[in-house]
Amino acid sequence: AQTVTQSQPEMSVQEAETVTLSCTYDTSESNYYLFWYKQPPSRQMILVIRQEAYKQQNATENRFSVNFQKAAKSFSLKISDSQLGDTAMYFCAFMSTPSKLVFGAGTILRVKS
Amino acid sequence: GAGVSQTPSNKVTEKGKYVELRCDPISGHTALYWYRQSLGQGPEFLIYFQGTGAADDSGLPNDRFFAVRPEGSVSTLKIQRTERGDSAVYLCASSRSLGDTQYFGPGTRLTVL
Repeated sequence: AQTVTQSQPEMSVQEAETVTLSCTYDTSESNYYLFWYKQPPSRQMILVIRQEAYKQQNATENRFSVNFQKAAKSFSLKISDSQLGDTAMYFCAFMSTPSKLVFGAGTILRVKS
Repeated sequence: GAGVSQTPSNKVTEKGKYVELRCDPISGHTALYWYRQSLGQGPEFLIYFQGTGAADDSGLPNDRFFAVRPEGSVSTLKIQRTERGDSAVYLCASSRSLGDTQYFGPGTRLTVL
């Protein structure tokens, strides 16, 4: 069975600075997808970024980028120029075929002014 | 609608009662998923549908839980003889097809007294 581990229960960062959230996973599959989702206090789970395992290039979405290390089974999220609105719980998630997502326990990120 | 909608937003019930939770997916999305999120944890998979049929219900905790999607659009998660341990946020997600990115609704917070 696949597992996803987020070893940082909580993180803090100053506004405008950069922060990296860690995620490792365990799988024997070769074809899969990895995601970062953001969940603010409103409870709505919002997609941040998606990475296909067969792509060597790291995914980027504006201020969000990932460092995908397939051999190490590591998938970290870097947030640049942190904003107050980035304060939320961040979940790393794994998906292979079929299509259910396996989530980590989450990291609470607090952006301070 | 523009996104996944779930009703009710909150549901309070008494132990032993029956509840129904509704999910309306994004128009045109053929795959629909249910997850359960306990306090302070990541979501856990319950069941997913491709069209009208349940493609994988391996995450349903026991036979008190059942879900339907009779017309391939709206889905209802049904819980019989509710227990206090069923208290959680129930999240629904949809995707264009299996393997595509899942988009989540705001969830239903179920409280069993």
